[in-house]
Amino acid sequence: GNSVTQMEGPVTLSEEAFLTINCTYTATGYPSLFWYVQYPGEGLQLLLKATKADDKGSNKGFEATYRKETTSFHLEKGSVQVSDSAVYFCALMSGGGSEKLVFGKGMKLTVNP
Amino acid sequence: EADIYQTPRYLVIGTGKKITLECSQTMGHDKMYWYQQDPGMELHLIHYSYGVNSTEKGDLSSESTVSRIRTEHFPLTLESARPSHTSQYLCASSELGREQPQHFGDGTRLSIL
Repeated sequence: GNSVTQMEGPVTLSEEAFLTINCTYTATGYPSLFWYVQYPGEGLQLLLKATKADDKGSNKGFEATYRKETTSFHLEKGSVQVSDSAVYFCALMSGGGSEKLVFGKGMKLTVNP
Repeated sequence: EADIYQTPRYLVIGTGKKITLECSQTMGHDKMYWYQQDPGMELHLIHYSYGVNSTEKGDLSSESTVSRIRTEHFPLTLESARPSHTSQYLCASSELGREQPQHFGDGTRLSIL
């Protein structure tokens, strides 16, 4: 079945540090890939997505590239801010009727000033 | 910019009570979902719906039930609450299609005494 494996953390960084959150997946067919972010006390928000191989999603300085050859969708940001402190979820959705999101376990990021 | 609303945000209630968690969306989305989020952050799909009069059980067995009488409304009911039901419940909606992201409400944090 479909699955997502991501770094679980928690991770603590200093402001302006470089961030990478690894995400790999197992899926049949050609899934769409997503990164969601959950700020304290809130629901999940879509951060970025990619729907086919070699697509790059980007938003708010975050980027992730859909790598079919390595089945990966790593999230990166060149310079994190305190406001990036949140929980980050990698997810995939396959077609074929089920159309259910499969989430990784989430990674808590804390950014200190 | 939330177009999906959950009420109440917080609920503390005694064992044995009947509880209904409300979820409404104004986007006209056909698909709606309920997730249970444990303290370790992991998300578990407990119910979903493809449209009016459609309800399906998710990946995690739950004693709760759902109904979908109107497109915009997807309430979750616990007939007799127990302490094991203490958790955060997140509602989401999406358009059809594997490329479509899910939009989440801010959640209901439920505590059963």
